[in-house]
Amino acid sequence: RKEVEQDPGPFNVPEGATVAFNCTYSNSASQSFFWYRQDCRKEPKLLMSVYSSGNEDGRFTAQLNRASQYISLLIRDSKLSDSATYLCVVSPTSGTYKYIFGTGTRLKVLA
Amino acid sequence: EPEVTQTPSHQVTQMGQEVILRCVPISNHLYFYWYRQILGQKVEFLVSFYNNEISEKSEIFDDQFSVERPDGSNFTLKIRSTKLEDSAMYFCASSDFRQKGNTIYFGEGSWLTVV
Repeated sequence: RKEVEQDPGPFNVPEGATVAFNCTYSNSASQSFFWYRQDCRKEPKLLMSVYSSGNEDGRFTAQLNRASQYISLLIRDSKLSDSATYLCVVSPTSGTYKYIFGTGTRLKVLA
Repeated sequence: EPEVTQTPSHQVTQMGQEVILRCVPISNHLYFYWYRQILGQKVEFLVSFYNNEISEKSEIFDDQFSVERPDGSNFTLKIRSTKLEDSAMYFCASSDFRQKGNTIYFGEGSWLTVV
């Protein structure tokens, strides 16, 4: 099983749609979880951290399910500018400071 | 907002040549990283650096690679004898594990093309 696994997509959705991405991780002792956004040939940029209680930032909602070892990202009212690759990132157990990236899920929002 | 800066943004080099990629991490961060991303592939961990020494490295980070913090601000990645398969975007990153969430911040990347 891959350390961090994502559906690569692409997800093609119309403007205004709601879209959800999932990510699974293999190490049950993982401590920190993030969603990053990456535009083509650019650096990953932090979208949001993911907390056990779930968190929301405007149109974006992230959830963590430790029992099932998955993380989700929900984007409501998609905008054209949301088109990008969304990277799931996991920081594993204590004693290591390595961040593990999923392959990313590509989103295309269509006019 | 503080940021990680990298130079050069793009470098073309001949196979077998040495390359040094430079980074200035965020000033109060303690952990530094190099990642790479081959075009169309995932972001891969190369090495992490803390307290002036390597704390972890991946299988990719073989004897051809080295890192150094030559002064209080710069963090460099050296590839001794480049291969065609070293062509990739190299991202420097830093984090401050004292902060909640341990967020990692990336530079804009150095695009290396080996010909």
